Amino acid sequence: LAKTTQPISMDSYEGQEVNITCSHNNIATNDYITWYQQFPSQGPRFIIQGYKTKVTNEVASLFIPADRKSSTLSLPRVSLSDTAVYYCLVETSGTYKYIFGTGTRLKVLA
Amino acid sequence: GAGVSQSPRYKVAKRGQDVALRCDPISGHVSLFWYQQALGQGPEFLTYFQNEAQLDKSGLPSDRFFAERPEGSVSTLKIQRTQQEDSAVYLCASSLLSGENTEAFFGQGTRLTVV
Repeated sequence: LAKTTQPISMDSYEGQEVNITCSHNNIATNDYITWYQQFPSQGPRFIIQGYKTKVTNEVASLFIPADRKSSTLSLPRVSLSDTAVYYCLVETSGTYKYIFGTGTRLKVLA
Repeated sequence: GAGVSQSPRYKVAKRGQDVALRCDPISGHVSLFWYQQALGQGPEFLTYFQNEAQLDKSGLPSDRFFAERPEGSVSTLKIQRTQQEDSAVYLCASSLLSGENTEAFFGQGTRLTVV
């Protein structure tokens, strides 16, 4: 299972774009990259998943370079309610064991 | 229900007491997971069910921990003779099936405090 490394914490201001980068140097061919968001006293919530290049949904974008050794979660125009912990996971297709790291604590300031 | 439901939300147990934590997954979800989350840490895998079959219990920290899903829907995580180090949030998640493009839906968790 590929290990991920991401910053422990980040601060941002309302209205800014936030980019959180995750390193996964030993990602395998069958691995997908998934990001989860967790608010205090809540379970993690799926944000986005991708395999390569760029994926966009109504919440975020995920950028994955050609070598796939890193990925960047982009949150456009954050608000105070985006303050949460964001986890980067590498999932192997066909397996089930989600490995969470310590995540990135994002604090959005007014 | 619309999401994964866990009960109780909070549980205080005296050291040595047995506890049972319940998880109601989303109807029709084949996969069910239990995770343990210590304060300030990410969730850590405990065990995985596919329908009623427990396919992986490698994350259970000791033989005091036991999980079951007898009819392939509701699951119970039981902790016997609780210890202070068992204090954590226990999260349950379910998904249609594991693998690519499957999203795991988590419950709000049960916060266990052992005193």
